Amino acid sequence: GEDVEQSLFLSVREGDSSVINCTYTDSSSTYLYWYKQEPGAGLQLLTYIFSNMDMKQDQRLTVLLNKKDKHLSLRIADTQTGDSAIYFCARWGFQKLVFGTGTRLLVSP
Amino acid sequence: KAGVTQTPRYLIKTRGQQVTLSCSPISGHRSVSWYQQTPGQGLQFLFEYFSETQRNKGNFPGRFSGRQFSNSRSEMNVSTLELGDSALYLCASSLERPGSGANVLTFGAGSRLTVL
Repeated sequence: GEDVEQSLFLSVREGDSSVINCTYTDSSSTYLYWYKQEPGAGLQLLTYIFSNMDMKQDQRLTVLLNKKDKHLSLRIADTQTGDSAIYFCARWGFQKLVFGTGTRLLVSP
Repeated sequence: KAGVTQTPRYLIKTRGQQVTLSCSPISGHRSVSWYQQTPGQGLQFLFEYFSETQRNKGNFPGRFSGRQFSNSRSEMNVSTLELGDSALYLCASSLERPGSGANVLTFGAGSRLTVL
């Protein structure tokens, strides 16, 4: 199947770490992605990971991939109010991006 | 380097009309994909073009069509508009041919269509 699932909402305080989770069903996915969408804007690619990797770090962002459990997570360190947005997990499958439902992250001061 | 440019950004149409949306990819990018975003269905793939050829098509009715020009610019058309076509239409471009490499897609800001 093409299902990519995410929790709908996450609320954190400024300065805390945020962890956004994603599960997928198709184990043939080669690349997995995290996109950010701010109000009224398109999708901004944050990072991506190849399926043979377990972890990827890029400044405040850490991606963890558990291929056995088909679980992907995005950790944002030192979360700021500017990080408030909707975060989409996506996998590359059938010659297209298959997106999750999106997680709305709210960062309070 | 200019990003992906979509026009118009906002438009309002009535049922039964048709609409054309335009997308200019990043210079040098030859692949253009289109996605529809709605609150109910989320992000759904419409179609993808590479070198003026449609390479892949999503599960949408024939009222949705597209094309790509020799300069890689792309247009999508929706005919006989329905209320359910109200959505944000996102265009994305990529350098590589889909299926090769990391498939890094850069999205535009979208065209928000409202059908009354």
